[in-house]
Amino acid sequence: KAGVTQTPRYLIKTRGQQVTLSCSPISGHRSVSWYQQTPGQGLQFLFEYFSETQRNKGNFPGRFSGRQFSNSRSEMNVSTLELGDSALYLCASSTNSGASGDTQYFGPGTRLTVL
Amino acid sequence: AQSVTQPDIHITVSEGASLELRCNYSYGATPYLFWYVQSPGQGLQLLLKYFSGDTLVQGIKGFEAEFKRSQSSFNLRKPSVHWSDAAEYFCAVATTGGSYIPTFGRGTSLIVHP
Repeated sequence: KAGVTQTPRYLIKTRGQQVTLSCSPISGHRSVSWYQQTPGQGLQFLFEYFSETQRNKGNFPGRFSGRQFSNSRSEMNVSTLELGDSALYLCASSTNSGASGDTQYFGPGTRLTVL
Repeated sequence: AQSVTQPDIHITVSEGASLELRCNYSYGATPYLFWYVQSPGQGLQLLLKYFSGDTLVQGIKGFEAEFKRSQSSFNLRKPSVHWSDAAEYFCAVATTGGSYIPTFGRGTSLIVHP
């Protein structure tokens, strides 16, 4: 079974631009969560989608948004990029919502650099 | 809000020695607890998790962790470390009661000497 895939793997943008990251979960998984990892703030939870609905949300500004499609693939969008948005963005999928206790499987991440 | 503290930024052990990585959390109720490992350039891999029940949890790669409510701790242990265990280890706590908001510690970098 293929693992979680994230595209693109690397991305360079400039301040003020917007970016869309994609995550394809493991087949059969209905939950997708997004995380941001930076040297300064560490690992932080962005949000979780389950069956096309946002279930949980971390403490991030509204510039960070996401959606999930009927095939469980998910996209994350960041508008009006700031230098501090440079990070590794990780996606994780699980069979059911995180609250169910199902194990989350992580993708390799998308490395975003904002210049 | 919950929080997680991993007191050790770096730990160095010799191959074959035992290992204990510390994790303390703050949360008003019994939380969900996790340990993840991250190798350079890779995503996270779940080592083990505690949701309820037996407070001694067995995970993959020979790791185990013990939930101690009285000490608000969830320390990770391994009896004999292998060179391939060198990586970054993250402890995480997640809210319970319907919502699921995980909070991660800052990580402990494990260095293994031959």
